[in-house]
Amino acid sequence: QSVLTQPPSASGTPGQRVTISCSGSSSNIGSNTVNWYQQLPGTAPKLLIYSNNQRPSGVPDRFSGSKSGTSASLAISGLQSEDEADYYCAAWDDSLNEWVFGGGTKLTVL
Amino acid sequence: QVQLQQSGPGLVKPSQTLSLTCAISGDSVSSNSAAWNWIRQSPSRGLEWLGRTYYRSKWYNDYAVSVKSRITINPDTSKNQFSLQLNSVTPEDTAVYYCAREGFGELSNWFDPWGQGTLVTVSS
Repeated sequence: QSVLTQPPSASGTPGQRVTISCSGSSSNIGSNTVNWYQQLPGTAPKLLIYSNNQRPSGVPDRFSGSKSGTSASLAISGLQSEDEADYYCAAWDDSLNEWVFGGGTKLTVL
Repeated sequence: QVQLQQSGPGLVKPSQTLSLTCAISGDSVSSNSAAWNWIRQSPSRGLEWLGRTYYRSKWYNDYAVSVKSRITINPDTSKNQFSLQLNSVTPEDTAVYYCAREGFGELSNWFDPWGQGTLVTVSS
């Protein structure tokens, strides 16, 4: 059972916009920034969004992040087949004094 | 550009010690603006943060409660690398283990980059 809650799966057709939610609590998302990671099949996770809504250089602006209260969201617009991957949210938890992750959302491009 | 290269055995016997190393290029393990982490991933536990080491005038370590009694993360400044030791392993410790650099911003921090991952199987 992960500390942060994500839907196990999401899907969309090419060109569509999809969103993935991440729900936490006051000790993690409510107090700290959220990062998102993309994990393509057979590879290590890669930083996709940091500090709630910032994109590292090289990440397309089709990817965007937001946070409100104790929840965060990742949005992917203009969905492409190469976006098919697992997506994870993460935040520092002030009560546990640990990094915590969501269980991951498997995105399928139909 | 920071790169992390992991090394270590892929098979460990129950009750023995799991040992992995992460070699750093493009940054220093003694950097005052980074921390060096170990994270593991398994189907049953998902992504699980294990701990980190970092230097801020002296060395610090933080460990996850779930492994605190069994884990040691050490920096090696002579080789610019850091290591993970997990004692008394059981099959539950079977996972892909990743090292990752934790970067710091004004009010946030994040993992980037990650090592390539090492599948460690605990079995006799």
